[in-house]
Amino acid sequence: DAGITQSPRHKVTETGTPVTLRCHQTENHRYMYWYRQDPGHGLRLIHYSYGVKDTDKGEVSDGYSVSRSKTEDFLLTLESATSSQTSVYFCAISDPIDVSYEQYFGPGTRLTVT
Amino acid sequence: RKEVEQDPGPFNVPEGATVAFNCTYSNSASQSFFWYRQDCRKEPKLLMSVYSSGNEDGRFTAQLNRASQYISLLIRDSKLSDSATYLCVGNNDMRFGAGTRLTVKP
Repeated sequence: DAGITQSPRHKVTETGTPVTLRCHQTENHRYMYWYRQDPGHGLRLIHYSYGVKDTDKGEVSDGYSVSRSKTEDFLLTLESATSSQTSVYFCAISDPIDVSYEQYFGPGTRLTVT
Repeated sequence: RKEVEQDPGPFNVPEGATVAFNCTYSNSASQSFFWYRQDCRKEPKLLMSVYSSGNEDGRFTAQLNRASQYISLLIRDSKLSDSATYLCVGNNDMRFGAGTRLTVKP
């Protein structure tokens, strides 16, 4: 299995509080991604990074920010959590070789906003 | 139209059956596609990659039809352990389909 960890694995927080999720990899992959997964919607891309300090928005980026200060860590921050951000969050990594962008996923963080 | 669409299922099949899923896509810029399997409350795991000529790995065959813009996954001799949700994605846009749920029954 690819070396990807996420922390915390579970979190319950209150509406309006800031929350930061961490993704850590030991594979030295260039690309890192944050997805959320909700019933009926599948995986939706929030933000991704294509290098240190290089990030871009995905399809559901509103209410989220990210930072990547070193290759191995990609942080996802909810500045002021809302109940609609209750979800399972997955981090993924990839390293493009030719045209391949195979992604490997972390174990997920289950976030509940009350 | 969504960029990637899958029949959500569920597909309920008996052990030993052959089952096939399709995934249609609208972004023709993707050069390669991937099938992932996801078990309940677990992360997606890469099952197969599929490029222009398709791919076969044991009981699993993936095909790409660029003219009709879909990829397919064929599972032969289904096992109970194949029960999962199967997701597809193209390499260009990182947009996953919502997944097809498969249940293999004894």
